[in-house]
Formats: sequence, C-alpha cells, structure tokens
Amino acid sequence: GIQVEQSPPDLILQEGANSTLRCNFSDSVNNLQWFHQNPWGQLINLFYIPSGTKQNGRLSATTVATERYSLLYISSSQTTDSGVYFCAAPLSGNTPLVFGKGTRLSVIA
Amino acid sequence: DTAVSQTPKYLVTQMGNDKSIKCEQNLGHDTMYWYKQDSKKFLKIMFSYNNKELIINETVPNRFSPKSPDKAHLNLHINSLELGDSAVYFCASSYTGEVGYTFGSGTRLTVV
Repeated sequence: GIQVEQSPPDLILQEGANSTLRCNFSDSVNNLQWFHQNPWGQLINLFYIPSGTKQNGRLSATTVATERYSLLYISSSQTTDSGVYFCAAPLSGNTPLVFGKGTRLSVIA
Repeated sequence: DTAVSQTPKYLVTQMGNDKSIKCEQNLGHDTMYWYKQDSKKFLKIMFSYNNKELIINETVPNRFSPKSPDKAHLNLHINSLELGDSAVYFCASSYTGEVGYTFGSGTRLTVV
C-alpha cells in the first residue's frame, strides 16, 4: 500500500516566522489532503490538493504529483497554528485515507 | 449545525467490559469511517462503510464490531476491552472518492 512520509517530525517557530512542511508519498495519487489537529484534538481539513497550488489565508499548499510530494506553507505563524499537521492519501483508488505520522508544530510567542 | 458528532467524548472503563461509541453525520455523505489514534498521534484506518455496507476492515481484532443502521450512523462496539485499546477513536465521513473528510471530535477511551 501507499506510504506517506512527513518531515520534519517536530518544528518550533517564533511567532511571525514562516515554515514549510513536506509530505512524500510512494505512489501516484488522485487525492491528497492536509489536516490540522489542534491542541484540543479536533481534526480540521485544510486542503484537498491532488495537484497544483491552493491558498487559504496564511496557508498555502502545493502538490507536485509527478514527483510525489506536497508542501504546506505557513506564513506569519501565530500561536493558534500550533498542533499537528497531517497529510493523507488513499491506499488506492477510492479507499480510505492513509495518514502520515504528522509534523508537530509549536509556535512560541 | 452540520457535522459529525460522536458520543461519548470520554470513556473510562475496566478491562473486560463491553462498550459502544456512537457516530452520526448530517452532511448527507455516503461513506463513513472509524480511525484509531494512538498515544503517538498515529492515525490508522479501522473500518470504512459505504451506504451501510462494510468496505474496508483493516486488520482489526474481531472484538471490534461496527454497525451501520443507516448511512448517517456508524457505531463502534468493542467487546472484552483490553489495555491496548486505550486510544482516541475518530469517526469521519465523506462522499465516495471525494474531497474533504469531515471528522468528529473524537472519543478518548481509557481502559484501566
């Protein structure tokens, strides 16, 4: 099945800094999603991005499907950005999402 | 509010007991899922149901039995609970093969 690997595993940022999180996947995908799990445990869908670039406020994501990676950019980070960021892709076709191990982000004031 | 709702939010129980977690979605999605998140935050798919039918059962012990009375509900029943079952269990839903899984807020199960 598909392997989804994320880096870095942990990241500490000063408030206002920018960061890039990376997700590598082992197979071609038609569905790639980024999620944020906040410190209270809630999982929020950030982006559905099987290819191309999308932006939502201070967050943007780019997936280069041919090279099997996706990047999540966080600009001008805020303490509320803290939590764990997951990328996920389906095992195959329309099967459920397989999650990477996440990047734990801590933004310090 | 449109959402995926799980109950209970917290569940503390003794080894050997049987417990259930309920999940309901009012988003009109046709596929529902159960995920288990362990203490290291690793999220692993357990079950996937499409229109009340089991699609995926990912090497989960048969002490875990999902039940889907209709496509808006997917409940999880666990028999003979073990210490290793302690985790956060998330329910989610989506349209088949489509974007945007919506997750419930999770049920933290602690087996003592």
